[in-house]
Amino acid sequence: EAQVTQNPRYLITVTGKKLTVTCSQNMNHEYMSWYRQDPGLGLRQIYYSMNVEVTDKGDVPEGYKVSRKEKRNFPLILESPSPNQTSLYFCASSFGGQGLYEQYFGPGTRLTVT
Amino acid sequence: GNSVTQMEGPVTLSEEAFLTINCTYTATGYPSLFWYVQYPGEGLQLLLKATKADDKGSNKGFEATYRKETTSFHLEKGSVQVSDSAVYFCALRDAGGTSYGKLTFGQGTILTVHP
Repeated sequence: EAQVTQNPRYLITVTGKKLTVTCSQNMNHEYMSWYRQDPGLGLRQIYYSMNVEVTDKGDVPEGYKVSRKEKRNFPLILESPSPNQTSLYFCASSFGGQGLYEQYFGPGTRLTVT
Repeated sequence: GNSVTQMEGPVTLSEEAFLTINCTYTATGYPSLFWYVQYPGEGLQLLLKATKADDKGSNKGFEATYRKETTSFHLEKGSVQVSDSAVYFCALRDAGGTSYGKLTFGQGTILTVHP
């Protein structure tokens, strides 16, 4: 089954404790992206990747890092999480490097930083 | 920059009622327009799309028409079902430039349909 998976689905952590949210897709997509969803704001893009070793900032990249060492994986790293990063995070992938085809979303990761 | 504005929610309807969720946008050029649906506990799924003015996207009984003159992409369904209860997001994507696939989303509208 074609899908985007994220782990963990739920995470509660404390301020400053480094964490990684994994994202993996099995569709051989070039384009991958991370969004955060906050009430009243919809989804906002954090980072995106057009292919292996090609990443760039979205609209709200502060406090986040990403890497793309393999085509299928695009982990989101919070090196020193803060409470304002409490949010629902979605990974998405798309055929082609420019993300111009349908984007497929993962199930989401709900992160709480205390 | 680009922006998408959706009607305030939540929206509560009885089964078989008519649904309209308003969506207007601000963008330069000719963006592509989308409606995504998010069922409880799940990720977003593409519901329908339109890529140029006057295009009508449709799927599962939902429709939306790309209106360039009013910069709108309102979602409609003639007869909603309980299973349509979800959060609906309007979104746009630039036609080109350097946005590289970025979707700009509205704030989402919660729809609840009662039997």
